[in-house]
Amino acid sequence: GIQVEQSPPDLILQEGANSTLRCNFSDSVNNLQWFHQNPWGQLINLFYIPSGTKQNGRLSATTVATERYSLLYISSSQTTDSGVYFCAAYSGGGADGLTFGKGTHLIIQP
Amino acid sequence: NAGVTQTPKFRILKIGQSMTLQCAQDMNHNYMYWYRQDPGMGLKLIYYSVGAGITDKGEVPNGYNVSRSTTEDFPLRLELAAPSQTSVYFCASRRTGTAIGYTFGSGTRLTVV
Repeated sequence: GIQVEQSPPDLILQEGANSTLRCNFSDSVNNLQWFHQNPWGQLINLFYIPSGTKQNGRLSATTVATERYSLLYISSSQTTDSGVYFCAAYSGGGADGLTFGKGTHLIIQP
Repeated sequence: NAGVTQTPKFRILKIGQSMTLQCAQDMNHNYMYWYRQDPGMGLKLIYYSVGAGITDKGEVPNGYNVSRSTTEDFPLRLELAAPSQTSVYFCASRRTGTAIGYTFGSGTRLTVV
């Protein structure tokens, strides 16, 4: 099945900083999503983005499908941005369902 | 509109006990999924269903069973619980189509002692 790798595994930033999280995937995808898992464990769907660029407030994401990577940008970080960010993808083959990366653990310090 | 509802939120089981994790969605989604998340890891697919009466195995199905008698409900059954099944379990759903995001429940934290 598809492999999903995320980097960096951990990131500590000061409030107000910008950050870029990367997701590499091993196969072409027809579904790619970014999630934020907050400190209470809830998974929040940030973007559905198998290709192209989307923006939602301070967050934006870009997927370059031909080069098999996706980037999540967080600008002007706030402490509420802390948590784990997951990239998940589905290639269309094998078992239906997203394959998740191991996540990037982001800590925003005040 | 409740979305995906999981019960219970927390549970402690003794080794060898059985239990059913409940998942219900009110969005008329055909596709439903069960994932487990171990500490410090991403989610792994246990079982999924593409509609009522149809289920199939994911990456880590051993020790679990599912059923899908209605569109709304997708319970996950643990038989003979083992410490290796200590994890957080997430249920998710989506409607038919490829250009569709998933909706996740809030999770069930299970500890087997």
